[in-house]
Amino acid sequence: QQQVKQSPQSLIVQKGGISIINCAYENTAFDYFPWYQQFPGKGPALLIAIRPDVSEKKEGRFTISFNKSAKQFSLHIMDSQPGDSATYFCAAISGYSTLTFGKGTMLLVSP
Amino acid sequence: SAVISQKPSRDICQRGTSLTIQCQVDSQVTMMFWYRQQPGQSLTLIATANQGSEATYESGFVIDKFPISRPNLTFSTLTVSNMSPEDSSIYLCSVIGAPGNTEAFFGQGTRLTVV
Repeated sequence: QQQVKQSPQSLIVQKGGISIINCAYENTAFDYFPWYQQFPGKGPALLIAIRPDVSEKKEGRFTISFNKSAKQFSLHIMDSQPGDSATYFCAAISGYSTLTFGKGTMLLVSP
Repeated sequence: SAVISQKPSRDICQRGTSLTIQCQVDSQVTMMFWYRQQPGQSLTLIATANQGSEATYESGFVIDKFPISRPNLTFSTLTVSNMSPEDSSIYLCSVIGAPGNTEAFFGQGTRLTVV
């Protein structure tokens, strides 16, 4: 049973556009929602994270929007750049348990 | 954030042999984990490495196949035993630093190919 559903599986965005990746979860005990960015041949790197007591968090061009009632959260990449081309994973965790990952979104930003 | 060194970065191994992957962290961490990531796929947790005691394995993973050690708060090893081509994957070490901290960091991974 997949507890975090991520979409789309792949995404092509033109340079300067907005990339949007969505995730939905089922377990209401989740209390921390990180996003990871992974380049080929590298390990995942923590990009940005949010807790359910806020509806939005912004760091530079990256924004997480969180809808607790809908049990959904999304990553927005503003002014997308070719260097943002990577695979993005959403994840969720409750307390001191382990991370549950979405299946990933492969983003390609075309020049 | 913790700096994680994982060795080897890649290896090609013969079926039936074993490979031990090392994970060294530059600071003491609360929790250490081992993940497997098959090409183009998400991350699957193999086990939580517990200091001074047996690792906690996830469903589908067993100690005889993936023995794990964690002798101290900065070091862990994962052994992939009696390898078959199906074990070809990327193996990743992950850590959570301080008690109460939920930020998890990953090593660069070990790309294993079994021939």
